[in-house]
Amino acid sequence: SQQGEEDPQALSIQEGENATMNCSYKTSINNLQWYRQNSGRGLVHLILIRSNEREKHSGRLRVTLDTSKKSSSLLITASRAADTASYFCATFSNDYKLSFGAGTTVTVRA
Amino acid sequence: EAGVTQSPTHLIKTRGQQATLRCSPISGHTSVYWYQQALGLGLQFLLWYDEGEERNRGNFPPRFSGRQFPNYSSELNVNALELEDSALYLCASSLGGTDVDEQYFGPGTRLTVT
Repeated sequence: SQQGEEDPQALSIQEGENATMNCSYKTSINNLQWYRQNSGRGLVHLILIRSNEREKHSGRLRVTLDTSKKSSSLLITASRAADTASYFCATFSNDYKLSFGAGTTVTVRA
Repeated sequence: EAGVTQSPTHLIKTRGQQATLRCSPISGHTSVYWYQQALGLGLQFLLWYDEGEERNRGNFPPRFSGRQFPNYSSELNVNALELEDSALYLCASSLGGTDVDEQYFGPGTRLTVT
């Protein structure tokens, strides 16, 4: 079974809008990472947030982590067509287990 | 700088055969990870090697095995292939150690079992 589960499964937005997706997990984590996968570039690391951090920014990306709720969110601001991809959260748990969620498919319409 | 490379790109086998997949990490990376991505599903963690040793493995049967060589490249072996083993197998590498930080992924090997 997967540790992380993304929500929603799919998201369709207009270019320029913000996209928010969530990730819930079950066990205590060391860190949580977000990745993007599209056909052109494969899987690419976006951002890592450690268990003692609550928020992190990278360009148009903002990640939050709530360890009490065992959840994280990824916000993409001012979306572009190039943001069309599947987004996965990955957890590295304290017992050294790695787990990816099933992903959120984001479509940005021009 | 060269990224993570995997070979072959595609592999077609019949049920019961064995498959060997190869991965070369980014220079300087000592950790290598293997994942299975079946159609429409997320990534399932298979194996994690660091400094030549297996650090952890996912919930896969023993017929999935691998090793890491002294030059940190890695091999994934799948014995007694079953139809449901058909998937994209991704390899990733990262700087080694006990923590798992940013992973760099290869393009994958598409395994088809007929």
